[in-house]
Formats: sequence, C-alpha cells, structure tokens
Amino acid sequence: DIQLTQSPSFLSASVGDRVTITCRASQDISTYLVWYHQKPGEAPKLLISAASTLQSGVPSRFSGSGSGTEFTLTVSSLQPEDFAAYYCQQLKLYPLTFGGGTKVEI
Amino acid sequence: EVQLLESGGDLVQPGGSLRLSCVASGFTVSSNTMTWFRQAPGKGLEWVSDMTGISITSRTGTAYYADSVKGRFTISRDNSKNTVYLQMSSLSVEDTAKYYCAKGSFDIWGQGTMVIVSS
Repeated sequence: DIQLTQSPSFLSASVGDRVTITCRASQDISTYLVWYHQKPGEAPKLLISAASTLQSGVPSRFSGSGSGTEFTLTVSSLQPEDFAAYYCQQLKLYPLTFGGGTKVEI
Repeated sequence: EVQLLESGGDLVQPGGSLRLSCVASGFTVSSNTMTWFRQAPGKGLEWVSDMTGISITSRTGTAYYADSVKGRFTISRDNSKNTVYLQMSSLSVEDTAKYYCAKGSFDIWGQGTMVIVSS
C-alpha cells in the first residue's frame, strides 16, 4: 500500500499567516494527489485535484504543488474559515490512502 | 442540484449487519465511480470501497474494497433508484464510524451517516 505522511500534524497559526502543509508518498504517485479540508461536523471538501488544480469555487489563496513523492498545500493568507483539518489522498493505486491529517488551529 | 444523501446508519451489536444507502440527485450513479469512505470518531479519513461506472469493458462496473472490509462489505448500485448501497456484515467495534459516499472525482460528498457497533 502507498503510505502518505503529512506534516505537521498540528499547526498553530493566525489570521493572515502563510501556511504550508507537506504530504510525502512512499512511492512515486505522479500527480495523483488531492487535498481536502474538513470543518468539525462537516463532510470533507475537495480543494485541489491532480496535485495543483484548484477546484471551482475554492479561493485562490489555496494552491497545491508537487509531483512524484513530495507535495505541498499552501494557504497564502489564512482566513478565519480556514481553521480546519486538512488531508491529502493518493489516487494512483488501490487501496486509496490518506495522509494522517493536519489540524490548523488558532 | 448535484447532491448525495446517505442513510441507514444505526446502533448495531458486534457481529450484526447493516445496509447503508446513498441516494444521488442531479447526476446518474451508473455513469460515475461511486465511493464509500468512513471516519471513526476523532480520527482521520479511510477509503472503504469503490464501484466504477458502467463502461465498454464492464457493463456492471467493478468493485474495490479496503482490506479491512473485504469479504464483509459489499458495494452495489440500483440504477433505477439512482442509489448506491454498502451492505455491511460481521460488524465489529472497529467499524464504528461516520460513513460518507462521494461521487466520481470526490467533488461531491454526502453529509454522512453514523454507524455505531456496540454491545
């Protein structure tokens, strides 16, 4: 199975901060990676597909980059509604796997 | 509007069975891969099962399962009801989670349905 290692697990930040989350894959997954955020009590929301494609309606302060085994999600200026959990997921091979998550807190 | 609505979650005893439903509106489930995920309380996300859409190579779609549920869970689809199901059997406490269904490229998720396995 492909392991995804997300870091950090927890991140304390302030409104306006630039935040970067890393996701490392245990083997080459090309750009078969997506990013979600999830607020408490809600379903995950897809932010980024194919490692760097911003989903329709997602603010441009979110961006994704990377290929192969190393990927990053960046929020250029954190807004109050961005305090949530973030997950990466690989779509290269079954079983589809997730990173352990990053909780972004104030 | 494109949306998904799960139902069927309940409190069930270990060893019991349950069937979850995911009703789709605004699109056709048979033309899309449909996926079940789950999230145990306070934990991360876990992929459970996929059913691919109808294609030239597969008139019924192909099912995939996580090792943790293989042989116990079955994904299926009723095209006439535009609904995807997850039949769960031999449930254990480790299956306690909120179960979500999602469409295709995971751009649409339902709100989830809670399954609690406890004696």
